[in-house]
Amino acid sequence: SQQGEEDPQALSIQEGENATMNCSYKTSINNLQWYRQNSGRGLVHLILIRSNEREKHSGRLRVTLDTSKKSSSLLITASRAADTASYFCATAPPGGSRLTFGEGTQLTVNP
Amino acid sequence: DTEVTQTPKHLVMGMTNKKSLKCEQHMGHRAMYWYKQKAKKPPELMFVYSYEKLSINESVPSRFSPECPNSSLLNLHLHALQPEDSALYLCASSQVLERTDRGQFFGPGTRLTVL
Repeated sequence: SQQGEEDPQALSIQEGENATMNCSYKTSINNLQWYRQNSGRGLVHLILIRSNEREKHSGRLRVTLDTSKKSSSLLITASRAADTASYFCATAPPGGSRLTFGEGTQLTVNP
Repeated sequence: DTEVTQTPKHLVMGMTNKKSLKCEQHMGHRAMYWYKQKAKKPPELMFVYSYEKLSINESVPSRFSPECPNSSLLNLHLHALQPEDSALYLCASSQVLERTDRGQFFGPGTRLTVL
């Protein structure tokens, strides 16, 4: 069963603006990961944050994690048309084995 | 080589056909996964292989039969599928099953249509 929920379900912004997506989960985690999926293609791993971390950066990506609220956010700064895709959060439980994906956010960046 | 390849890209089959999906990786990963993804939904885990042994079967119907011939290859054999099985089938790999902190590498998927 899917334990993650993401909001918004869809987000449309102009090029150059920032995009923020949120993810909530229900059980304990070892880490939380964000993936991007271009239409009809495979998922690409973007960034991972461990349960003992609060914030992480990678290029134009910034991810935060609040384990007390069981939530995470992904910020994409200075968005580009090429950032148009679906973004999924995925949680890994303590002890490993499987990822549980959130419902995803469809991001559209208009030129 | 940091790529997971999948063949075929597209597959159309009738409900009485038998077909196979193929996945390959040469990253030395010892965990491999099959996911099913319907439109506008997240991937759903189907099977996980760890060191060529089936580790997880998410109660998938027997008309789907996975096989891991060696550490680089993963197959999904299809037989007597239903139209509702039409979906994008994604293969993924990771270093080892217990280490989730390196993420999973996904292939581009096979778009399956069952008529």
